[in-house]
Order: sequence, then structure tokens, then C-alpha cells
Amino acid sequence: GAVVSQHPSRVICKSGTSVKIECRSLDFQATTMFWYRQFPKQSLMLMATSNEGSKATYEQGVEKDKFLINHASLTLSTLTVTSAHPEDSSFYICSALDRDNQPQHFGDGTRLSIL
Amino acid sequence: AQKVTQAQTEISVVEKEDVTLDCVYETRDTTYYLFWYKQPPSGELVFLIRRNSFDEQNEISGRYSWNFQKSTSSFNFTITASQVVDSAVYFCALSEALGYSTLTFGKGTMLLVSP
Repeated sequence: GAVVSQHPSRVICKSGTSVKIECRSLDFQATTMFWYRQFPKQSLMLMATSNEGSKATYEQGVEKDKFLINHASLTLSTLTVTSAHPEDSSFYICSALDRDNQPQHFGDGTRLSIL
Repeated sequence: AQKVTQAQTEISVVEKEDVTLDCVYETRDTTYYLFWYKQPPSGELVFLIRRNSFDEQNEISGRYSWNFQKSTSSFNFTITASQVVDSAVYFCALSEALGYSTLTFGKGTMLLVSP
């Protein structure tokens, strides 16, 4: 089946650090990838939709300058949390569509903790 | 606008009991997909099922079964003879039928199965 790899799985860093999270589709080409954020005991909230070769589409309330998304190839999208602060601590999870066909295949998530 | 309601926040059962997780959705689309995902404590999202709005047949997969009723806009999930390994948060989700459409998640139901 379709496999999505997300790295790193856990990050602990100091406030003010920028953190990059990678999302790779391992055995398929993903023209569309999604980034979600999940706070403890809450649902997944879509942050942005990432299309290969174009600018990401951000959901309302998500700062595009804070959460930089790059989708430079059909197998890789990256999310960079710039100048991270404690309130950015959360579980970030990506997903990818295989040739735009549902269902979305999810990575294992990244648990980000900002001290 | 699309909306998914999982009214049960948390359900506790004893092993071998049957349990049904409710999901009610709202959409103006005539064609759409419904999904169930499982999120164990480790955090990854595991895809369980996708159902097209045109297919109202119930589905059974091992101990899992799904009841899709368009008349009541419900897509309920039943686990038969529950096991401790079934303990997880279960999310119901909805998307338009277009492949690249985003997922709208419910708030999730935490299922605790005790031995």
C-alpha cells in the first residue's frame, strides 16, 4: 500500500528555533499533500494544502509566514515552523494523495515541543 | 459547509463487548466520500474505510462493520467482540468526491477497551 514517511517523529527545541518537518511519499507520486495540526485530545485541523510546484493554500487563521510549506517535488513536501514558540507545540501530521485519488495516506506525525 | 459530528467523546467497554461509534455528517454535495480512521496512542492515523455516497451497502471487514444510511446522514462504525488493541481514538471524516478535496474530520471518539 501507499506509504508516507514523516521525519522527524519528535522534536524538542528552544523557543526561537526554526524547525523543518519532511513528508515523503515513498512508493507513489503525490501531487497534493496536506498538513494538519492536532492539539492534545482534539481533532485534526487542516493547516494548508500543498501542490507540487505551486504555492500552498493556507486555511484561514494559519500564518503563511510562520508555517512555510515547500512542495518542490512529487514525493516531498516540507513544513518549516519559523521562530517557534511554546504555543506552536503540537502534533503535526502530513498526508498525501496518490494521483489525487482518495483516501489520503498519512505520515506517522511529528510531535513538536518548544521549551 | 461540511460538518462531521461524533457525539460520543469517550466510550469504555470491557473486552468482547460490541461497541458502536456514531458519526453524523452534513454536506450540500450530492457526491462525497466518508471515511473512518483509527489513531492509536502512538499517534499515527490508520485508514479503515472509504465509502462513496452512491454506495449505501453496509460493509463488514472481520470484526469491523459500517452502517451507512443516507436518510439519516449517518455512517456508524461497529466493532464486534472488542479487544484491548482496539483502544484508540477513532475519527470519522468527510470529503467531496473530487480527489484533491480536503478532509473534514469529526472531533473523534476515544474508545477504551479494558481486559
